[in-house]
Amino acid sequence: NAGVTQTPKFQVLKTGQSMTLQCAQDMNHNSMYWYRQDPGMGLRLIYYSASEGTTDKGEVPNGYNVSRLNKREFSLRLESAAPSQTSVYFCASTQRGDTEAFFGQGTRLTVV
Amino acid sequence: QKEVEQNSGPLSVPEGAIASLNCTYSDRVSQSFFWYRQYSGKSPELIMSIYSNGDKEDGRFTAQLNKASQYVSLLIRDSQPSDSATYLCAVNSGNTDKLIFGTGTRLQVFP
Repeated sequence: NAGVTQTPKFQVLKTGQSMTLQCAQDMNHNSMYWYRQDPGMGLRLIYYSASEGTTDKGEVPNGYNVSRLNKREFSLRLESAAPSQTSVYFCASTQRGDTEAFFGQGTRLTVV
Repeated sequence: QKEVEQNSGPLSVPEGAIASLNCTYSDRVSQSFFWYRQYSGKSPELIMSIYSNGDKEDGRFTAQLNKASQYVSLLIRDSQPSDSATYLCAVNSGNTDKLIFGTGTRLQVFP
């Protein structure tokens, strides 16, 4: 009963490096989301995907790309990491946008 | 202007008191409203969802929605120290699956 699984849990990058955050859900949910959380800023939506093969920008998409590989997986890519991308990243999934969202355990990313 | 606004707090209440958390949203077509609780270092978890005007009660929690005023609130009765956490308001537009969160209100319940 894994729910939403994110990898990695922690990552340190140097400025300019690239990396992909992985997210997978086993609840057969249609919608998936990537958020970042900074102190005092709540959860800010980066990108979301309402269904396999579709993605849409959220509130803070600049510097990120996403791929909805299949119904289970939704990855977030940083092509050239910047210190401003230091944050905790959460992946979430829902059956639909108007139902309960389930979150992964988060990825703490530091860009130096 | 952020789409979902909350007072960041902290809101401090004594044990046994009622904690009142407020949230306003800007998108008039929003249809679904949620309150999530997040303990420090943990992931958010759903407490309440509300979809129509009025009150919805679940145990010690009551969610209130007023679509005309674009306002949603959460009342926690008989607050306990274990309720100390950040409470996040979330809103879903009826037109998309986009789910937007507020900045969260930190609640502290002291014995």
